[in-house]
Amino acid sequence: DTEVTQTPKHLVMGMTNKKSLKCEQHMGHRAMYWYKQKAKKPPELMFVYSYEKLSINESVPSRFSPECPNSSLLNLHLHALQPEDSALYLCASSQDLIETGTAEQYFGPGTRLTVT
Amino acid sequence: AQKVTQAQTEISVVEKEDVTLDCVYETRDTTYYLFWYKQPPSGELVFLIRRNSFDEQNEISGRYSWNFQKSTSSFNFTITASQVVDSAVYFCALYIFRGGSEKLVFGKGTKLTVNP
Repeated sequence: DTEVTQTPKHLVMGMTNKKSLKCEQHMGHRAMYWYKQKAKKPPELMFVYSYEKLSINESVPSRFSPECPNSSLLNLHLHALQPEDSALYLCASSQDLIETGTAEQYFGPGTRLTVT
Repeated sequence: AQKVTQAQTEISVVEKEDVTLDCVYETRDTTYYLFWYKQPPSGELVFLIRRNSFDEQNEISGRYSWNFQKSTSSFNFTITASQVVDSAVYFCALYIFRGGSEKLVFGKGTKLTVNP
């Protein structure tokens, strides 16, 4: 099973709203990722959690706040977003490279976010 | 610096034609991983294949084949007898893991349209 699930599939929010994106994997993967993808562009890395600790923050604005409650769950809290934040937000997970020798990331279906 | 170049922005073929998607990468690391991902219109990134830098064996999986050549820093992807369901954006990606930091660098993607 290589499934990563994300909810909601679509989200429309105003600039003053607070919302959260959720991601879940049950593959025992040690790392989880958030990516942002604009139309006709490749995914851009936002955050990496390794063993439930934030290991990489790619200089993402503070209006995006990640959270990793446990090894299977990853949230992205959104507050005071701007219209330019409208994008597809993808979650991914991967195994421990050193333990398994594999590094492929498995992606969820994404959340299409529209900020009005 | 790490970089992935997919020179073909868009390719259009007729069903049953063979098509090759080009990928050229740059890295100074001796250990790295290369991937191909497929992104259909639904949005989910689907993992297709991983290649380690120390494994130059080519691979065939059904109608898909991959040609990895370190001498030319290329990792090309060929679809034989293309089908309409192959229509998608295909991303080549380079994975670097160094000193606890990791990054998946994507090419800009090649949009493949297979016409009936």
